[in-house]
Amino acid sequence: SAVISQKPSRDICQRGTSLTIQCQVDSQVTMMFWYRQQPGQSLTLIATANQGSEATYESGFVIDKFPISRPNLTFSTLTVSNMSPEDSSIYLCSVEDHHAVYQETQYFGPGTRLLVL
Amino acid sequence: GENVEQHPSTLSVQEGDSAVIKCTYSDSASNYFPWYKQELGKGPQLIIDIRSNVGEKKDQRIAVTLNKTAKHFSLHITETQPEDSAVYFCAAKRTSYGKLTFGQGTILTVHP
Repeated sequence: SAVISQKPSRDICQRGTSLTIQCQVDSQVTMMFWYRQQPGQSLTLIATANQGSEATYESGFVIDKFPISRPNLTFSTLTVSNMSPEDSSIYLCSVEDHHAVYQETQYFGPGTRLLVL
Repeated sequence: GENVEQHPSTLSVQEGDSAVIKCTYSDSASNYFPWYKQELGKGPQLIIDIRSNVGEKKDQRIAVTLNKTAKHFSLHITETQPEDSAVYFCAAKRTSYGKLTFGQGTILTVHP
């Protein structure tokens, strides 16, 4: 299975600032995703990070607020811009591993715990 | 789109008992159903998954069953241990469609 690391693991930020979260995978993967998990809640997909093109955002999430980069097949960043306390969440990087045709499996990183004051 | 309902939201058992968590899904085209365990302060960890060409899959104390006709699938944990205490999430998707839809999560507490 893919090994995923995220930086930072946690941060406390002031409102109005921005934070960039990094995601590194130990192998090349086609699909990378970013999720948000608000306190005590389930996982919500923010966007799919596409290598070499703009990310695909889910309803309710916009590029100006959550810009994403995907420069290669092992790395992606998510920026949370102009933060407010409502952005306090766990942000999770996820990758899809295609070990066989129609046999993909999705793995998650350890998460970045963000608190906005 | 897909909708996944998960029950119960909390489950408390004694060590050694069995635990069952159930999920229903709405999209009859979904054919991949993973289960994740999330411990406090960690990311979700895949513990078992099932694809629609099988009805049951087992891995030691953990098993998952799938009923495609009724559109529901369940996680079974036998001989529970305190280290099984965590939040468990079910999910569903269509293979190669790219998007997992998650249930709301179940907080499992195993009392020694």
